[in-house]
Amino acid sequence: ETGVTQTPRHLVMGMTNKKSLKCEQHLGHNAMYWYKQSAKKPLELMFVYSLEERVENNSVPSRFSPECPNSSHLFLHLHTLQPEDSALYLCASSQDSAGGGNTGELFFGEGSRLTVL
Amino acid sequence: GQSLEQPSEVTAVEGAIVQINCTYQTSGFYGLSWYQQHDGGAPTFLSYNALDGLEETGRFSSFLSRSDSYGYLLLQELQMKDSASYFCAVRDGGSQGNLIFGKGTKLSVKP
Repeated sequence: ETGVTQTPRHLVMGMTNKKSLKCEQHLGHNAMYWYKQSAKKPLELMFVYSLEERVENNSVPSRFSPECPNSSHLFLHLHTLQPEDSALYLCASSQDSAGGGNTGELFFGEGSRLTVL
Repeated sequence: GQSLEQPSEVTAVEGAIVQINCTYQTSGFYGLSWYQQHDGGAPTFLSYNALDGLEETGRFSSFLSRSDSYGYLLLQELQMKDSASYFCAVRDGGSQGNLIFGKGTKLSVKP
């Protein structure tokens, strides 16, 4: 496999459930990101990891909990979500953590479409 | 606050030229990127401008004027497959230089 892979592609959960989103990158990059994409809104940066250390937490509610066990894998653990958390969650990677470095290039996965009932 | 403004929708015909503008207001600036996203797909990188001027990559070109806090994406010889959303993004001046995205411009190419 190549690029950035996200699973599951679709997820429906109740407000009391606990679920996790998984992201894997096969590009040898050092930085990984979680973005939230909602209709009619800009992509919102949630978390940034560089070399497995969290370097950015963009005021995200604690019901979202990221985990980066190694430089190739990133998880987003979800618990007691709200209906307004329904969105497309995008994972991305880049060679370094500075927003894509000198090329400004992030590599995105196709996202996990989350619906909270 | 930080913001990027771009038109929400643009419609054009096959073979035409279309320009998507982006103005930004950020606390710092390292560069302007453009991304394309087809419905149900991943955003994919198109171009990056760190310096003023025009960058050309095939049918797509991107322009930046840092003094005007303005840039645009120019798409030439439009094809049906160019129908997608286009996002501008700025690397801000924070310690991490993270990407701040606009809301996106939905381009519809008609036959």
